[in-house]
Amino acid sequence: DSGVTQTPKHLITATGQRVTLRCSPRSGDLSVYWYQQSLDQGLQFLIQYYNGEERAKGNILERFSAQQFPDLHSELNLSSLELGDSALYFCASSVTLTSGGLGEQFFGPGTRLTVL
Amino acid sequence: QQQVKQSPQSLIVQKGGISIINCAYENTAFDYFPWYQQFPGKGPALLIAIRPDVSEKKEGRFTISFNKSAKQFSLHIMDSQPGDSATYFCAASSGNTGKLIFGQGTTLQVKP
Repeated sequence: DSGVTQTPKHLITATGQRVTLRCSPRSGDLSVYWYQQSLDQGLQFLIQYYNGEERAKGNILERFSAQQFPDLHSELNLSSLELGDSALYFCASSVTLTSGGLGEQFFGPGTRLTVL
Repeated sequence: QQQVKQSPQSLIVQKGGISIINCAYENTAFDYFPWYQQFPGKGPALLIAIRPDVSEKKEGRFTISFNKSAKQFSLHIMDSQPGDSATYFCAASSGNTGKLIFGQGTTLQVKP
């Protein structure tokens, strides 16, 4: 158990809908990352927050948005869902802003999103 | 330039053998190279990591070899065990964020 929790574990929804994925980082971790894992694209970085502020952005679609709250939990909002958005969404957390050492990223168990 | 290329896509090794997975990168600004292990239904977990100022790092049966001039790094799993059967990802990071760029993954099967 990494100490990172994600809810829900599974999510099944229809095209055009909006969903919210939730992540609680490990106690003391200030950085939260979101990654998408799909069979064709592999593991792709979406976005990073550090202590409430957005710090890095990857190939995140405009239909997707995220935020980190004062208690450091984070939510990833996916809207106008398409079939191609079906994937595993992972949250990771780390103590520091950068990688390595205290910046080791601990991944949650993921949320499996299925868009029908 | 942000890509990390990983090979092979899949690997079958006999118990006790050596598993070798390779990665190559283009961006010379990368300064942190971790390897992650992922079991089915689980999130990736950090296995071992290296910075470019060293050419090799060993932790138990796992070794990273790093060739800065060739922009390549590899994971060696010695005395491979059936419990090592998993998907392995190399990754790279740089700059003032923790953003990880992952390779495509290698599915390792260790046969008893």
